[in-house]
Amino acid sequence: KAGVTQTPRYLIKTRGQQVTLSCSPISGHRSVSWYQQTPGQGLQFLFEYFSETQRNKGNFPGRFSGRQFSNSRSEMNVSTLELGDSALYLCASSLLRAGEETQYFGPGTRLLVL
Amino acid sequence: AQSVTQLGSHVSVSEGALVLLRCNYSSSVPPYLFWYVQYPNQGLQLLLKYTSAATLVKGINGFEAEFKKSETSFHLTKPSAHMSDAAEYFCAVRHRAQKLVFGQGTRLTINP
Repeated sequence: KAGVTQTPRYLIKTRGQQVTLSCSPISGHRSVSWYQQTPGQGLQFLFEYFSETQRNKGNFPGRFSGRQFSNSRSEMNVSTLELGDSALYLCASSLLRAGEETQYFGPGTRLLVL
Repeated sequence: AQSVTQLGSHVSVSEGALVLLRCNYSSSVPPYLFWYVQYPNQGLQLLLKYTSAATLVKGINGFEAEFKKSETSFHLTKPSAHMSDAAEYFCAVRHRAQKLVFGQGTRLTINP
């Protein structure tokens, strides 16, 4: 079974631009979560989607948004990019059923904002 | 609120020595607990997980962890370190239907 895939793997943007990152979950997984990883803040939760609905949300500004499609694929968007948005963005998928909470991660998208 | 504390941001051991990475969690109810490993420029790979079955959990690459409710700990061990174990390790906790919360990570260095 194929793992979680994320595209693109690397991205360079300039301040003020917007960016869209894509995540395809493991087949059969209906939950997708997004995380931001930086050296200073570590791994921080952005949001989680299940069946096209946002279930949980982290403490990020409204510039960060996401959505999930009917095939469980997810996108996250960051508008008006700031230098501090440079990070590794990780997507994880999960079955999210009783007794099975394990999240499986993709390779990440490394975003550099200049 | 749930939280995770990993003691030691950097651990260094000799090849062949015991690896012990410490993780303590804060939770009002029994949680799901996980250890993930991250190699440079890669995503997180699941090492093992505790989901209220056996308290001693065996994972991949010879790692294991023991859930101790009385100590609210879930330390990761490996009897004999290998050079390929050099990576960053993350402990994480999750309650049903809630977000996954990570510790700050422990960077493991293996000395030849």
